[in-house]
Amino acid sequence: KAGVTQTPRYLIKTRGQQVTLSCSPISGHRSVSWYQQTPGQGLQFLFEYFSETQRNKGNFPGRFSGRQFSNSRSEMNVSTLELGDSALYLCASSFGQGVPGEQYFGPGTRLTVT
Amino acid sequence: GEDVEQSLFLSVREGDSSVINCTYTDSSSTYLYWYKQEPGAGLQLLTYIFSNMDMKQDQRLTVLLNKKDKHLSLRIADTQTGDSAIYFCAESGSNYQLIWGAGTKLIIKP
Repeated sequence: KAGVTQTPRYLIKTRGQQVTLSCSPISGHRSVSWYQQTPGQGLQFLFEYFSETQRNKGNFPGRFSGRQFSNSRSEMNVSTLELGDSALYLCASSFGQGVPGEQYFGPGTRLTVT
Repeated sequence: GEDVEQSLFLSVREGDSSVINCTYTDSSSTYLYWYKQEPGAGLQLLTYIFSNMDMKQDQRLTVLLNKKDKHLSLRIADTQTGDSAIYFCAESGSNYQLIWGAGTKLIIKP
């Protein structure tokens, strides 16, 4: 069974630009969660989508948005990029029921904002 | 708000037991988790414990939960070089909003 895939793996953007990251979950998984990982703030929950609906949301500004498609693939968008948005963005998939933390993580997208 | 705290580093000798500790503040936590992150890789769920349990054992891993003190520990028996990684403690209620510790880097000395 293929794991969670994220594209692109690396990205360099300039302040003020916008970026879209993609996540393909494990086949059969209906939930996709997104996390931001930085050395200073650690792992922070962005949002979770289940069956195309945002079910949970963390404390991030509205510049961070996401969506989920009918095939469970998810995209995350960050508009008006700031230097502080430089981070590893991880997505994780799960069945969406049962133990919330039983998630399978992708390798992440490393975003650098200059 | 909710918080999860861990020591940043732990150094042990190969073959010894490693004990990684974590404290959390949310008394309504339902699940507590231990994840492992190896260099250049995503996170991998090692084990989890339901809040009404005191202990869970899985091969070389033992999780202890002291709910009164809000203290969680992960013991790795017979630590090997392959156990070198960052170990994250996390907690959640019944929703999918996990709260994470900063991670403990486990260093194995030969």
